[in-house]
Amino acid sequence: QTVVTQEPSFSVSPGETVTLTCGLSTGSVSTSNYPSWYQQTPGQTPRALIYTTNTRSSGVPDRFSGSILGNKAALTITGAQAEDESDYYCVLYMGGGISVFGGGTKLTVL
Amino acid sequence: QVHLQESGPGLVKPSQTLSLTCSVSGASINSGGYYWSWIRQHPGKGLEWIGYIYYSGSTYYNPSLKSRLTISIDKSKNQFSLKLSSVTAADTAVYYCARDQNGHSSYDYWGQGTLVTVSS
Repeated sequence: QTVVTQEPSFSVSPGETVTLTCGLSTGSVSTSNYPSWYQQTPGQTPRALIYTTNTRSSGVPDRFSGSILGNKAALTITGAQAEDESDYYCVLYMGGGISVFGGGTKLTVL
Repeated sequence: QVHLQESGPGLVKPSQTLSLTCSVSGASINSGGYYWSWIRQHPGKGLEWIGYIYYSGSTYYNPSLKSRLTISIDKSKNQFSLKLSSVTAADTAVYYCARDQNGHSSYDYWGQGTLVTVSS
């Protein structure tokens, strides 16, 4: 069974740029996986950030952007802010109606 | 504004069936174009895709849950439901319903989530 991989944790200083990635245990991520990204703070419902690789959800600041970098999907936060400290989840479409979430990345901003 | 709200028992005994309903307001399930989804999150863990149903009744399930899972739709009540049979403690989780814009896990609206504990 294919596993969606994410960095378990990442640290960034305020104002710096950070790129979180989303890969596959076998093969490469492409736009055909329609990668989406969600932000979740403890105790809260996930919030959509990016749909289908690079479409920003309504109301999401433009410091969040999505792309394909090499063989992975990527979420870049340009100029991280303290309020960006959260868990970030990617989800990939595997075909046949099936999607799989990654394990999530815990982002610390300090 | 679209609103989704999960409802159902918060405690289910092992081997029984977990049943949840998601009530949708501000949008019609019968209008098509959206995929009505279930996602769960084990305590302290990540998100897990459960499956979804389209207004036509077509369903897609997580292969690991497929043998125990049924997602159904009630257009007259603008609701969709999840039934998971033969539950164990491993099914203890927060269950979310959500609206998927394209069947590719582009969730624009989520319910608040409901914790279901499997315990005797």
